[in-house]
Amino acid sequence: DVKVTQSSRYLVKRTGEKVFLECVQDMDHENMFWYRQDPGLGLRLIYFSYDVKMKEKGDIPEGYSVSREKKERFSLILESASTNQTSMYLCASSFDAGEHSGNTIYFGEGSWLTVV
Amino acid sequence: GDSVTQMEGPVTLSEEAFLTINCTYTATGYPSLFWYVQYPGEGLQLLLKATKADDKGSNKGFEATYRKETTSFHLEKGSVQVSDSAVYFCALSDGGYSTLTFGKGTMLLVSP
Repeated sequence: DVKVTQSSRYLVKRTGEKVFLECVQDMDHENMFWYRQDPGLGLRLIYFSYDVKMKEKGDIPEGYSVSREKKERFSLILESASTNQTSMYLCASSFDAGEHSGNTIYFGEGSWLTVV
Repeated sequence: GDSVTQMEGPVTLSEEAFLTINCTYTATGYPSLFWYVQYPGEGLQLLLKATKADDKGSNKGFEATYRKETTSFHLEKGSVQVSDSAVYFCALSDGGYSTLTFGKGTMLLVSP
């Protein structure tokens, strides 16, 4: 089975802190993603990466950055956490689909971040 | 841009009732369509998918048919169980890198 592991399930951070959310996948997937999930808004794409050291902005990249130094690991960074970044963060991965868009994306269990 | 609209919840049903959750989409190309399910406290799991028009995805008694003419991908199940209580997300992927555009989710509550 594909395994996408998020290192922290629950975090509480203070406003202004730098926050790292770590994600590891074990299936040699090329693509990795970070989504944010909020009630009434569904899931929104923050950033994705299609290769090591490559990254692309999603729909809501403001206030976030990412790092992909190794193929299996994709980190989401909140440079200076704010209360409006309190949310559930979901990491995901998939094989490179090329021109075909039907590849399945596999999700981790999520990280609940509270910024106080 | 791409978008997905699904019916708002919660949908409340009794066990063994018939389920329909409506989903329509807007896309510029020829997207693949997905239903994901999220059980309480967990991440998302793929429930079913369809990659071209008229395809039917099915899994665990759930079905959805890709209708290009109505741009829809409605989720159905003939007889729901309490264990089906979860949030269901309709999503599309249009183009490279498999990025998904999600609907807002529909909560399903099934009572005994």
